[in-house]
Amino acid sequence: DTEVTQTPKHLVMGMTNKKSLKCEQHMGHRAMYWYKQKAKKPPELMFVYSYEKLSINESVPSRFSPECPNSSLLNLHLHALQPEDSALYLCASSQDAGTEAFFGQGTRLTVV
Amino acid sequence: GESVGLHLPTLSVQEGDNSIINCAYSNSASDYFIWYKQESGKGPQFIIDIRSNMDKRQGQRVTVLLNKTVKHLSLQIAATQPGDSAVYFCAETFGTYKYIFGTGTRLKVLA
Repeated sequence: DTEVTQTPKHLVMGMTNKKSLKCEQHMGHRAMYWYKQKAKKPPELMFVYSYEKLSINESVPSRFSPECPNSSLLNLHLHALQPEDSALYLCASSQDAGTEAFFGQGTRLTVV
Repeated sequence: GESVGLHLPTLSVQEGDNSIINCAYSNSASDYFIWYKQESGKGPQFIIDIRSNMDKRQGQRVTVLLNKTVKHLSLQIAATQPGDSAVYFCAETFGTYKYIFGTGTRLKVLA
């Protein structure tokens, strides 16, 4: 099983809303990632959790807040987003650094 | 219309032919590389990987070649099929959790 599950698949939110994206994996992977992908562009790294601790924050604005409740779950809390934050948000996981990283199907986020 | 800079490089191949997708990576210290396939509206799908102590690795219908001298990676797909149509990304990392993606290539398979 190499499945990373993301919910919801689609999300439309207003600029004053608070919402959360969820990600789950049951492969026993110790690293989990959030990437942002705009149309016709490669995924861009946002955050990395390794062993349930935030290890990388790629200077992401504070309106994006990650959370790792346990080794299988990863959340991305959204608040006061801008229309330019509309994108495909991808979660990934890997056993460790420099190992196979598997992606979920993404959440298509639209900020209105 | 589309803006300049938003066009992905595109490779068009006839069904049944072999495809070669190229990637120039940026960091000479990178030691692990992955090829991903991304279909429209979906997340990247792992295809094959290679470590820097290897020059070549083969999977089912796919081969990855690594040339560290010129920092070049290629993905060869044998007997290309319509289902291979997608955007292909290479990704590199150097022993960290930072997987850096290349710009991507769109593969179009012509019937």
